[in-house]
Amino acid sequence: EPEVTQTPSHQVTQMGQEVILRCVPISNHLYFYWYRQILGQKVEFLVSFYNNEISEKSEIFDDQFSVERPDGSNFTLKIRSTKLEDSAMYFCASGVQGSYEQYFGPGTRLTVT
Amino acid sequence: AQSVAQPEDQVNVAEGNPLTVKCTYSVSGNPYLFWYVQYPNRGLQFLLKYITGDNLVKGSYGFEAEFNKSQTSFHLKKPSALVSDSALYFCAVRDLTNAGNNRKLIWGLGTSLAVNP
Repeated sequence: EPEVTQTPSHQVTQMGQEVILRCVPISNHLYFYWYRQILGQKVEFLVSFYNNEISEKSEIFDDQFSVERPDGSNFTLKIRSTKLEDSAMYFCASGVQGSYEQYFGPGTRLTVT
Repeated sequence: AQSVAQPEDQVNVAEGNPLTVKCTYSVSGNPYLFWYVQYPNRGLQFLLKYITGDNLVKGSYGFEAEFNKSQTSFHLKKPSALVSDSALYFCAVRDLTNAGNNRKLIWGLGTSLAVNP
């Protein structure tokens, strides 16, 4: 069964550094999402992407964040200058046209020191 | 504002007994409701959804959920719990503001289910 994959599973970085979190959505899906979950807190929506552009973003998704679908298969989240409070589990999800389920990857745990 | 509440941080149930994990929601229109499960060190797995139609929705692994519009609830149920059902369960609702291609989900805090042998 096709799955969403994410790499790396764990990323440790120093404050101020740039990180890129990578996702490979399910191949025929058209909707793509990033969510994050700070330890002990709710899953929070960051951004959705459809038709090669951002369709929705949250207040969390400020100028430090960007997303890209560079080659038709990968979907990346970049944080330009990481802050301590960016430490969280980041989940990528994808969804197919005509359905509202979102299929999640296993997550990348980002630790900013 | 649209929101989801899971009033119980933890639910404990004996194996073989029925289980219920509660969820209530607040949305401005007709809700699109979802349950996801998260096993340790794994991603969020889709269990079931309610969009329209029959109020009792059946999903994966023998789970079902009942949509109750008057009580604005969408409780997750299973007639006979298994130890392997022990996991974190999340209720979510589709954000209905700025519809169209907006499909973002609003999440509850999660309920930890422990099924004891």
